[in-house]
Amino acid sequence: GENVEQHPSTLSVQEGDSAVIKCTYSDSASNYFPWYKQELGKRPQLIIDIRSNVGEKKDQRIAVTLNKTAKHFSLHITETQPEDSAVYFCAYRGSQGNLIFGKGTKLSVKP
Amino acid sequence: SAVISQKPSRDICQRGTSLTIQCQVDSQVTMMFWYRQQPGQSLTLIATANQGSEATYESGFVIDKFPISRPNLTFSTLTVSNMSPEDSSIYLCSARTGGDTEAFFGQGTRLTVV
Repeated sequence: GENVEQHPSTLSVQEGDSAVIKCTYSDSASNYFPWYKQELGKRPQLIIDIRSNVGEKKDQRIAVTLNKTAKHFSLHITETQPEDSAVYFCAYRGSQGNLIFGKGTKLSVKP
Repeated sequence: SAVISQKPSRDICQRGTSLTIQCQVDSQVTMMFWYRQQPGQSLTLIATANQGSEATYESGFVIDKFPISRPNLTFSTLTVSNMSPEDSSIYLCSARTGGDTEAFFGQGTRLTVV
């Protein structure tokens, strides 16, 4: 079936350090891989996405890498700030056009 | 980017009753989805709302329990029927246009069944 494994489930870093979250997906046909940030009590917000025709994409402090051969993709946050604290979900687009989500990573950035 | 308005934002309901959640998008979208998110957990797809035809449900979700309407390209409703405390959750609608476009979410409906 369609699923995605996300690690770690919790991540605590010191302000200014980097954070890396990794996901492994099952559907080799998928071409779209977004990352969502969800703050407590709020809706998921898209922070970055990558399509299968590129291996890396960067937007300021956030970057995503994709290895289609290994079916891995990762989120990298550099120079973390307390406002980066949230739950992050990786996802990929399934065969029906919907998103399949990972279980989430709770990131805590300590000042 | 599309703006999605979802209502109600929260409700407390008696068991055995039904609640209809509405999702309005500010532009025409190809696809609309309904997800459930239990506290502290990930998003689980309930169904894909198809315009002009019956919704497509995921394993574990049935039309009698979660009837869905999608009368046009900007609006959908999800009804949670004959509610029990196990239905207490956050329900989210999502929408996107076709192709490889990003998906947007409504603000969610926090449902508590007592």
